[in-house]
Amino acid sequence: AQSVAQPEDQVNVAEGNPLTVKCTYSVSGNPYLFWYVQYPNRGLQFLLKYITGDNLVKGSYGFEAEFNKSQTSFHLKKPSALVSDSALYFCAVKRSSASKIIFGSGTRLSIRP
Amino acid sequence: ETGVTQSPTHLIKTRGQQVTLRCSSQSGHNTVSWYQQALGQGPQFIFQYYREEENGRGNFPPRFSGLQFPNYSSELNVNALELDDSALYLCASSLGTESYNEQFFGPGTRLTVL
Repeated sequence: AQSVAQPEDQVNVAEGNPLTVKCTYSVSGNPYLFWYVQYPNRGLQFLLKYITGDNLVKGSYGFEAEFNKSQTSFHLKKPSALVSDSALYFCAVKRSSASKIIFGSGTRLSIRP
Repeated sequence: ETGVTQSPTHLIKTRGQQVTLRCSSQSGHNTVSWYQQALGQGPQFIFQYYREEENGRGNFPPRFSGLQFPNYSSELNVNALELDDSALYLCASSLGTESYNEQFFGPGTRLTVL
């Protein structure tokens, strides 16, 4: 069975500091991993994905994520946070052969000025 | 390029009623997936449609059904509404069914069941 865990309901960071939003997954076979962001009253927006290859993936708005197979993790990172990064972030996983995508419960990121 | 659109934006129904939600996929996308997002939770996969056929289904009862039309737009129908069906319903489109393709989400329809 596939599953995704986002262990932190909320992450608080000061503007300009680095941020990390954690995600661990469980899936049989090769995983496809995604990060999405959701702003209030909006649908989800795609940030980045890991399919294969380089473990460090770069995405939109300066975000990046590191795939760690041994720790089954796919943490989202940004070197310098902006107030406008404040939103709800979702990690998601798919099996390579499946149509079903499993989302984590979400982490609310709050960036203080 | 036109993004994913959904209608209506908000909807209020009573228990036992039926509801139809609509989704227009992004231009050029032939695959549509539907999700239920309850308050404070991540989206839960309902089903996916590809070329007018169901292509995968999550753990939802048969009273959740769907359609995809030749222009790739889609409908989600829910019969015999229950209070727990209150949620944000998200539609997402993608090109093809390959698992590595990212999905593009609409703004959602917020359904309230009283």
